[in-house]
Amino acid sequence: DAGVTQSPTHLIKTRGQQVTLRCSPKSGHDTVSWYQQALGQGPQFIFQYYEEEERQRGNFPDRFSGHQFPNYSSELNVNALLLGDSALYLCASSLAQGASNQPQHFGDGTRLSIL
Amino acid sequence: RKEVEQDPGPFNVPEGATVDFNCTYSNSASQSFFWYRQDCRKEPKLLMSVYSSGNEDGRFTAQLNRASQYISLLIRDSKLSDSATYLCVVNMGNSARQLTFGSGTQLTVLP
Repeated sequence: DAGVTQSPTHLIKTRGQQVTLRCSPKSGHDTVSWYQQALGQGPQFIFQYYEEEERQRGNFPDRFSGHQFPNYSSELNVNALLLGDSALYLCASSLAQGASNQPQHFGDGTRLSIL
Repeated sequence: RKEVEQDPGPFNVPEGATVDFNCTYSNSASQSFFWYRQDCRKEPKLLMSVYSSGNEDGRFTAQLNRASQYISLLIRDSKLSDSATYLCVVNMGNSARQLTFGSGTQLTVLP
């Protein structure tokens, strides 16, 4: 039973560039949430995708966008990268029709460094 | 005010000690509550859900006080392997069941 998988594991970019991060949810899950975790902070919710649409969005600028595919996998795109975008980007999956107290399952994350 | 607040620590305790972490949340509509554990440079992993009646899992006990909007985690007989950052997590209750994380409390258990 495959868990949440993310790629790449590490990425180095320069300011102004664009990046795409990928996530495959846990088998049987249909909902993908993305989080940004800066050093020394807890993860911050970016957005969630369900049925190929953005369902909820956190307090992140439009430079952050995403997509969900029919197989439930998802991409996170960040344009015009800033130094402050350096962080661990986490993907979490869940089942939309699950209980409200079901936990989300996290991938290993992509560590993005902006030079 | 942060939506979920935790004491950042660090807590440095000897093996066998009892440790008590606290957390407060601001949104009274929050529906569900969790403690996650995060090891250095790893992803967060669910430690336990927190129920209104309180719940225990081995050496770990979680408590929820909805009236005070307060959550706690008690670790008894701490082990070296308990060293990690403990994240207090609240489900915001919106349609996305968005999780809001505290900044985490760092625990180091010393031999």
